[in-house]
Amino acid sequence: QSALTQPASVSGSPGQSITISCTGTSSDVGGYTYVSWYQQYPGKAPKLMISEVSNRPSGISNRFSGSKSGNTASLTISGLQAEDEADYYCSSYTSSSTVIFGGGTKLTVL
Amino acid sequence: EVQLVQSGTEVKKPGESLKISCKGSGYSFTSHWIGWVRQMPGKGLEWMGVIYPDDSDTRYSPSFQGQVTISAAKPISTAYLQWSSLKASDTAMYFCAVGSILKTFHYWGQGTLVTVSS
Repeated sequence: QSALTQPASVSGSPGQSITISCTGTSSDVGGYTYVSWYQQYPGKAPKLMISEVSNRPSGISNRFSGSKSGNTASLTISGLQAEDEADYYCSSYTSSSTVIFGGGTKLTVL
Repeated sequence: EVQLVQSGTEVKKPGESLKISCKGSGYSFTSHWIGWVRQMPGKGLEWMGVIYPDDSDTRYSPSFQGQVTISAAKPISTAYLQWSSLKASDTAMYFCAVGSILKTFHYWGQGTLVTVSS
């Protein structure tokens, strides 16, 4: 079971929008609507930002949005802020009734 | 308020056994999936497995099946991650996390650092 594929890093300037992709297969991302996105600051626990492809938990800014097309899911952050600088991980339910994470993407706010 | 409080830092030798814990509060412990995620130093998150405390239904990632044991004690709302014989490669931060469905972790513990070294 290989990790979902994410870009190692992305960057953007304050106020801009960025998109992080998460590519899997028809046995995970493409086969289910259970894609989640987590934000992790260095030395801290991850935090759920998006569940079930595009649902924002209570308290999460509407600057964060999720989508999916085929075997690729995406997290978009609009109006980039300095506090958004963190690592981001996607996850997906799989046909083996387990969950798999992506390799993670480091977001740098320039 | 949902809280997951994990046991403290562990330093062990190769071959030793270990059981770390995660105590949940502020939600119905028996009706939520609770699981474990490994993060090796400087690396990404790895889903290890989950348990549904009400009926002890347990699922493991193929990468961790047979390597660890996940269990839960309903009366004290505590989940466990256990090794029978640690290896140096088990050195990592281990997070517990909980979700209303198996597929998503809504809340996370603070992490338990496990160091295995001779």
